[in-house]
Amino acid sequence: AQSVTQLDSQVPVFEEAPVELRCNYSSSVSVYLFWYVQYPNQGLQLLLKYLSGSTLVKGINGFEAEFNKSQTSFHLRKPSVHISDTAEYFCAVSDNTGFQKLVFGTGTRLLVSP
Amino acid sequence: DVKVTQSSRYLVKRTGEKVFLECVQDMDHENMFWYRQDPGLGLRLIYFSYDVKMKEKGDIPEGYSVSREKKERFSLILESASTNQTSMYLCASSPRASGRAREQFFGPGTRLTVL
Repeated sequence: AQSVTQLDSQVPVFEEAPVELRCNYSSSVSVYLFWYVQYPNQGLQLLLKYLSGSTLVKGINGFEAEFNKSQTSFHLRKPSVHISDTAEYFCAVSDNTGFQKLVFGTGTRLLVSP
Repeated sequence: DVKVTQSSRYLVKRTGEKVFLECVQDMDHENMFWYRQDPGLGLRLIYFSYDVKMKEKGDIPEGYSVSREKKERFSLILESASTNQTSMYLCASSPRASGRAREQFFGPGTRLTVL
């Protein structure tokens, strides 16, 4: 069975500072990895995804993530955050079989202050 | 622009009531999903459907049922609502074909309160 761990439930950061949101997964098969963002009172929106190929994935709003197979990690990074990045971020994993189900982590709340 | 809509943003029901949550997608997607979202627990899959009239249990199906009579519509049913079903409910859809493999598109959510 697959699982996703987001160790940080909340990450406070100042505006224009860099940020890293951590995600580790476990799976016995090849995986696809995703980061979603949820702004207040909204549904989830895809930030970026890793399916295959280059391990460095660039997404929307200046975010990027690096797939590290040996460490089973897929950490999300942004070099300089804005107030508008305040949101909850979810890491998710899908295997390459079955019905394309996603398993989500518990989420990390990013709080950007001026 | 792709769109998943949910019938209500906020809903308040009484214990024991039968509750219907509706989800409609306009992207001709084969797969549809219902999740509940609770603080500290993330998103948990309740049920999903990969075709009309087909359904599969997710991780927490107890107390819920679903219906998919048309491709674009996926309904979540709480047969007898209980207070522990107070939660945010999110619907999602995805195409079966690869290309945009496994990406799910989400609706805005329904915040259900059961009193």
